[in-house]
Amino acid sequence: GQNIDQPTEMTATEGAIVQINCTYQTSGFNGLFWYQQHAGEAPTFLSYNVLDGLEEKGRFSSFLSRSKGYSYLLLKELQMKDSASYLCAGPNRDDKIIFGKGTRLHILP
Amino acid sequence: KAGVTQTPRYLIKTRGQQVTLSCSPISGHRSVSWYQQTPGQGLQFLFEYFSETQRNKGNFPGRFSGRQFSNSRSEMNVSTLELGDSALYLCASRDRTNTGELFFGEGSRLTVL
Repeated sequence: GQNIDQPTEMTATEGAIVQINCTYQTSGFNGLFWYQQHAGEAPTFLSYNVLDGLEEKGRFSSFLSRSKGYSYLLLKELQMKDSASYLCAGPNRDDKIIFGKGTRLHILP
Repeated sequence: KAGVTQTPRYLIKTRGQQVTLSCSPISGHRSVSWYQQTPGQGLQFLFEYFSETQRNKGNFPGRFSGRQFSNSRSEMNVSTLELGDSALYLCASRDRTNTGELFFGEGSRLTVL
């Protein structure tokens, strides 16, 4: 199968930095997406990495290593509003976008 | 530009009934994908339509079907509903000429009693 794995839950403190990891089968995917989903809302796009390396967008950065089948989302200067689920997703060879089960991030004051 | 619109937002059905959900994509987007989201399984891919043709299909039984119209609007249908079909059904559209980023609607929350 084509699995995407990420931790189920994480907890971090307001103002801190947190890294959410995602691993996938290297033979399956062409790049990685990260989405944010607040409770009761639709997922919204955060980033898409198709090449290896780090891409930074304000407080959020995303990293990809295609050879290792590994990606992470880095959130800096955490705010209470960052409490949400973070979904890792990849387009497979058939161009289906397959999602991991999501990481629920809890921010403590 | 208006976003992805899904109707109805909430619905309650009983086992054995059928349901039809509707999705209007962002103007100009020709691809529409459907996902089922449950707390235990996350987002699971149902199918994708592009220019009225089903391009991809997930691992769901034949009770789940869909179609796309010439104006890119899409519908999905679930027949002979089961309790386990209770979920949030999300529709997403994308413009095939760019990175393929999905734009999601708010979803249709189906409860089967």
